[in-house]
Amino acid sequence: AQTVTQSQPEMSVQEAETVTLSCTYDTSESDYYLFWYKQPPSRQMILVIRQEAYKQQNATENRFSVNFQKAAKSFSLKISDSQLGDAAMYFCAFPPPRGYNKLIFGAGTRLAVHP
Amino acid sequence: DTEVTQTPKHLVMGMTNKKSLKCEQHMGHRAMYWYKQKAKKPPELMFVYSYEKLSINESVPSRFSPECPNSSLLNLHLHALQPEDSALYLCASSQGPTGGIDEQYFGPGTRLTVT
Repeated sequence: AQTVTQSQPEMSVQEAETVTLSCTYDTSESDYYLFWYKQPPSRQMILVIRQEAYKQQNATENRFSVNFQKAAKSFSLKISDSQLGDAAMYFCAFPPPRGYNKLIFGAGTRLAVHP
Repeated sequence: DTEVTQTPKHLVMGMTNKKSLKCEQHMGHRAMYWYKQKAKKPPELMFVYSYEKLSINESVPSRFSPECPNSSLLNLHLHALQPEDSALYLCASSQGPTGGIDEQYFGPGTRLTVT
């Protein structure tokens, strides 16, 4: 069965510091995609970053980057130079096998950013 | 325009009422999704429409009835709901039918309370 685990229900970071959110997953597939979505309080969920499993290079989007370790089935999100606007729920997600028309979401990590 | 809109923002209904939630996107996306999200939980997929046809029903009770009148519009008809159906209902869309690969664009949600 496909599972995705976020073991940190809550995290906090000081403004301008760096924080890493963890995600592990289990799959028998060799090729797949992994996603981090952000859901700010009372605002729309948006895609933060996407990683294609066959790519060796870790994805980056401005201050957001991932540490993708395929063998360990780990997909962590690093937020550099944290800003107050980064405070949100962060969900790791990926599709089930041969089910490229939907996503399985992790339980989420609530990130607080302190000034 | 990268926006998914949902109406109403809030809905309170009795267990004998019939109501509908509406979702609209004008991005030319061909897949649309309904999710249910309880507080502090990840979104749970309910339905997927691909090219205006229902492609996934995640064993959702029949008191929830989806409808896709055209490629831009998605409705969720509600009838005889239970208090445990109170939740945030999210709509999303993706460019193609591969929502496990493509970015999903989420609406702000309808917060439903069943009394």
